[in-house]
Amino acid sequence: EVQLVQSGAEVKKPGESLRISCKGSGYSFTSYWISWVRQMPGKGLEWMGRIDPSDSYTNYSPSFQGHVTISADKSISTAYLQWSSLKASDTAMYYCARLESYSYEFWGQGTLVTVSS
Amino acid sequence: QSVLTQPPSVSAAPGQKVTISCSGSSSNIGNNYVSWYQQLPGTAPKLLIYENNKRPSGIPDRFSGSKSGTSATLGITGLQTGDEADYYCGTWDSSLSAHVVFGGGTKLTVL
Repeated sequence: EVQLVQSGAEVKKPGESLRISCKGSGYSFTSYWISWVRQMPGKGLEWMGRIDPSDSYTNYSPSFQGHVTISADKSISTAYLQWSSLKASDTAMYYCARLESYSYEFWGQGTLVTVSS
Repeated sequence: QSVLTQPPSVSAAPGQKVTISCSGSSSNIGNNYVSWYQQLPGTAPKLLIYENNKRPSGIPDRFSGSKSGTSATLGITGLQTGDEADYYCGTWDSSLSAHVVFGGGTKLTVL
């Protein structure tokens, strides 16, 4: 069974750093790109970027380029989304999803990130 | 402001049919596959349609997808109260750097 399991909810202060994770199982982790998707409270889905776990090649949405870093450790089948300095506007639910046939059939359960002073 | 335009809301009675439109441009829908997602409250999105009109295993044939030019449509027949959810279209955009774009979402109310 394909599963993407994300790390738990986080509460952080502005300016703090954060890394959240997404662990894949039930399939060959290096065979499928992983993407991250943001959903701000009460809003729609926003694609942030993707990574090829086989070689860690990444590409980002222009809206998120330079604001976050996507990485992966194929030895433990885990992808990451990282911020160096959080802002209140980063408060959102973040999903990872597996890319296949130009779409996303498998999603993580989501990680809620709350940034508040 | 989303790159893909969807109606904010649609509604219909149980048992009826509803369609949800998704309008884009030649850099996205016009030259790429469209997928559709259902998001029930408090849950992760669920893939309903991929490659314009294909259904993943387990998705009932009440759900259908089509594409024409720079627009796509999701159709749902035999509406059930459990279909009440947010629906999103998604596709690739080839402008500047290749990236995925989603519509703003459509809230389906089953009256």
